This record gives sequence, C-alpha cells and structure tokens, in this order.
Amino acid sequence: DSGVTQTPKHLITATGQRVTLRCSPRSGDLSVYWYQQSLDQGLQFLIQYYNGEERAKGNILERFSAQQFPDLHSELNLSSLELGDSALYFCASSGAGANTEAFFGQGTRLTVV
Amino acid sequence: AQSVTQLDSHVSVSEGTPVLLRCNYSSSYSPSLFWYVQHPNKGLQLLLKYTSAATLVKGINGFEAEFKKSETSFHLTKPSAHMSDAAEYFCVAQGGYSTLTFGKGTMLLVSP
Repeated sequence: DSGVTQTPKHLITATGQRVTLRCSPRSGDLSVYWYQQSLDQGLQFLIQYYNGEERAKGNILERFSAQQFPDLHSELNLSSLELGDSALYFCASSGAGANTEAFFGQGTRLTVV
Repeated sequence: AQSVTQLDSHVSVSEGTPVLLRCNYSSSYSPSLFWYVQHPNKGLQLLLKYTSAATLVKGINGFEAEFKKSETSFHLTKPSAHMSDAAEYFCVAQGGYSTLTFGKGTMLLVSP
C-alpha cells in the first residue's frame, strides 16, 4: 500500500459528461501529480500541484482542470468527455524535499461510452 | 530540460536467466533517477532510486541498477528472473523540484 488513495477505482460515463477524480496524498506529502495512461499514448504527465499551487503543467487538455485543496487532497475534473479520454488516471504524491520519490495510487479507470 | 530513453520496448527472458533493462537519460544537471514497476492493472511501485550517493543501487525483489555518468545510463538488472517479475518497467528522471520525466516503458516477458 503506497498510502495514496484514489477514488473511485472505476468510472463508466457517457460522452459529453463531466467527472471528478479524487486523490488523497500520503500523509505529509505536499506535491501531487496527475498522469494519464492509455494504450496508445503510454504514461502522460498532466499536471503537478505543490502545497495548493500549480507547479508544472504537461499535456493537459483545456477540457481538463485540477486543483489541490488546503487539506492537500486533489481533484481532477474532466469535462465534455470523449471516447478517447478513456484511460487509467494515476495520482502520485511526493514529499517537500528535492529529488524525493513519488508514490502512486492504484489509479482510476475511466471508460467513456 | 531532461529526457529518458528506454532502449527496448520489450525484453523476453527465460525464468532463472539474467535480466537487463536499459535506460539512458539526458539532463543539464545531475538528476535523481528511479525505476518503477507496474503489474497489470496495478499502480506503479518504486523499485529503487539513485540520488547521487552510491552509484550501485539495490532495490526490492533482487533488482539493482548502476548509475554511469560517463554513459548517462541507469540500467536495471537482476541475476535471475522469476515469473512474478513479468511486468512493465519505467525509468524516471527528476531534477530538483521539477516534475518526473518518464521513459516509455519496457515490458518484461518471462517464460518458464
């Protein structure tokens, strides 16, 4: 158990809908990362937050947004969903120091039908 | 900027034979380097990490990796493969507080 909790584990929704994925980082970790993993694109970095502030942005679509709350949990919002958004979405967290490893949650499998 | 190249998308070995998964990195400074493993439908698990201490790093499940600055490599090895090692392996670089840069992954196949 990595200590990173993601909910829900599975999500099935229709095209055009909006969903929210939730991540609780390990206790004390200030950084949260979101990744998308699909068969054709592999593991893609979406966005990173550090102590509530956006720190880095990757290949995140404009239809997607994220935030990190004062209690350090994070949410990834996906809207106007398309079939191609079907993927495994991972959250990871890491500590405050430089060069600290990230711990990954088990992921949320999103299926858009 | 940094990048990570995993030289093989697939590696096939027989159970009991050595494993070598190759990783090269490119960075303008000395990054921290990690290897993660992902079993089917599971999250990523940290195998080992290098953070500028000893160049030979030992990880879990008998894996180890050697950092070679002159070759900008961080190859993952294991003396004897086990069936349970079949999974996808990711080499990752991180510089300072920057985000993690993943390689494209190497699928390890282990046959009996």
